Amino acid sequence: GENVEQHPSTLSVQEGDSAVIKCTYSDSASNYFPWYKQELGKGPQLIIDIRSNVGEKKDQRIAVTLNKTAKHFSLHITETQPEDSAVYFCAAPAGGTSYGKLTFGQGTILTVHP
Amino acid sequence: NAGVTQTPKFQVLKTGQSMTLQCAQDMNHEYMSWYRQDPGMGLRLIHYSVGAGITDQGEVPNGYNVSRSTTEDFPLRLLSAAPSQTSVYFCASRRNREPSYEQYFGPGTRLTVT
Repeated sequence: GENVEQHPSTLSVQEGDSAVIKCTYSDSASNYFPWYKQELGKGPQLIIDIRSNVGEKKDQRIAVTLNKTAKHFSLHITETQPEDSAVYFCAAPAGGTSYGKLTFGQGTILTVHP
Repeated sequence: NAGVTQTPKFQVLKTGQSMTLQCAQDMNHEYMSWYRQDPGMGLRLIHYSVGAGITDQGEVPNGYNVSRSTTEDFPLRLLSAAPSQTSVYFCASRRNREPSYEQYFGPGTRLTVT
């Protein structure tokens, strides 16, 4: 099955700085890589995803990059704000199909200090 | 749309008791799944279903049963609760076809087994 490793486990930044979270995956057939944000007391919510046929995708202050050769993908948040403070999870589908079971990383607790 | 709903929000059980965690979605999604979330371990898949009448095991299925008699509902049953099942449980649903594989999560059920 798929194995997803996520780093760092905690990340503390000052407001306005950038934050980067990295994930590696094991199944070279995986072709869909979502990122979820979980606020305190709530369920995770999709913030951005990328398919394997592109190397980068941006949505305002967030971006995801994918390196299929190295089997890793990263979440980039620029101009961080206190409301970005949350737990972030990466995921990849087990079995290599985009509609398959998702395996999640261990999560990164991001704290943005005003 | 209410999205994905879960009941109860909180539950305390004694070892050996049984209970059912309820999950419902009103988005006509084919795919539904149950995850448990433990500190430092991300979200781990318990069971999933690709449609009414079809269920399968995830990464950590032992001690849990599921059924899917309708598209809308996907209850999770604990037959004989154990302290190791103390966790936060999330139900999720998504379409099982293009164009979007975004998973929608419920608000979670916090279960404590004493």
